[in-house]
Amino acid sequence: GEDVEQSLFLSVREGDSSVINCTYTDSSSTYLYWYKQEPGAGLQLLTYIFSNMDMKQDQRLTVLLNKKDKHLSLRIADTQTGDSAIYFCAETSRSNDYKLSFGAGTTVTVRA
Amino acid sequence: GAGVSQTPSNKVTEKGKYVELRCDPISGHTALYWYRQSLGQGPEFLIYFQGTGAADDSGLPNDRFFAVRPEGSVSTLKIQRTERGDSAVYLCASSSGLAGGKDEQFFGPGTRLTVL
Repeated sequence: GEDVEQSLFLSVREGDSSVINCTYTDSSSTYLYWYKQEPGAGLQLLTYIFSNMDMKQDQRLTVLLNKKDKHLSLRIADTQTGDSAIYFCAETSRSNDYKLSFGAGTTVTVRA
Repeated sequence: GAGVSQTPSNKVTEKGKYVELRCDPISGHTALYWYRQSLGQGPEFLIYFQGTGAADDSGLPNDRFFAVRPEGSVSTLKIQRTERGDSAVYLCASSSGLAGGKDEQFFGPGTRLTVL
């Protein structure tokens, strides 16, 4: 949606780190999420961060949140070909904690 | 079942026709959601059910769209007098419905609707 923005494309070499960026406008966002979408498959929740946290690490994934700038990033370490997909940033707000607002998605292509 | 299922996986219809899209949520999940994903866009919220009732239908684009969940499990999204602009992937999700905190939504594979 227009409240969440992402860059559209990212190309990365296998083994390198990928960084996907997202900005949002809702200052009352409570949770911020990263979803992965592969062709023919449903959206898969990768990780999420609560708005009072700055960083969350989960195996190869690192989420950084700058609440002041309303900026969220997802770093994928040691990117593999299986990481090629569309990645969506999403948020929920305090007033609508069930309603996910998604960005347009970043298409990540991993090249050998 | 193990996950959210949606039927049909693909639906092709003609402009002006009526369509029904079905969602089977994860067993025991009280919350159910419908989203619409147009080409090149992220999913957009349509409607949220808690049990049998629609708690929030603010995302339905107009009165041609309607959704039901009569027994608090399976849901059907109904679209009357379809238009070419309705062409999209319709995603269903379900969650445990716990109040407060993070309530993870599990998504189905979607129904791709094409209106000719």
